[in-house]
Amino acid sequence: DAGITQSPRHKVTETGTPVTLRCHQTENHRYMYWYRQDPGHGLRLIHYSYGVKDTDKGEVSDGYSVSRSKTEDFLLTLESATSSQTSVYFCATRGWGDEQFFGPGTRLTVL
Amino acid sequence: KQEVTQIPAALSVPEGENLVLNCSFTDSAIYNLQWFRQDPGKGLTSLLLIQSSQREQTSGRLNASLDKSSGRSTLYIAASQPGDSATYLCAGGDQTGANNLFFGTGTRLTVIP
Repeated sequence: DAGITQSPRHKVTETGTPVTLRCHQTENHRYMYWYRQDPGHGLRLIHYSYGVKDTDKGEVSDGYSVSRSKTEDFLLTLESATSSQTSVYFCATRGWGDEQFFGPGTRLTVL
Repeated sequence: KQEVTQIPAALSVPEGENLVLNCSFTDSAIYNLQWFRQDPGKGLTSLLLIQSSQREQTSGRLNASLDKSSGRSTLYIAASQPGDSATYLCAGGDQTGANNLFFGTGTRLTVIP
């Protein structure tokens, strides 16, 4: 457990509204990741960060943006939510031995 | 792109049985392989990480092996218990600096008391 918290834990929103999910870690890990988990697809990488203000795209980045202004915080933003973005979102960090640790997840429903 | 497959999708065993969960991957150039456990509605708990230079890792009743040449990893659970019931996920890490993980869809294990 790398001391990862996610907020909110649950959110229901409407199509077209902006949504921001927050990930906070207490271990000072350099790498942070956002994944989404959908039935039949497993977890897929959305974006990752390798330091403050250093981010890059993952496999399913369309419609998402991220920001990292502090080592401990990694934000995921859906600029205009769509129903296809209904999912469970997980944040992860990478420890010094390459092991990845996951947060508890955020369940997002877009109506 | 790395493709990770886990078969079977679901498995039921009686308590006390030893069992093996399978994971296969298409790109042998993985940096490492990690096994996770996920309980319903919860996040992922890391079980074992095997670096590409290693053949296996052990933690308690769990033993994970890695064979890069055949594109396979197995997770062996000894003396299964009802508390082992969960979904088990494997993920291969790529060789970029980010070590991005590519996940299988998991095996849902039920241990029957």
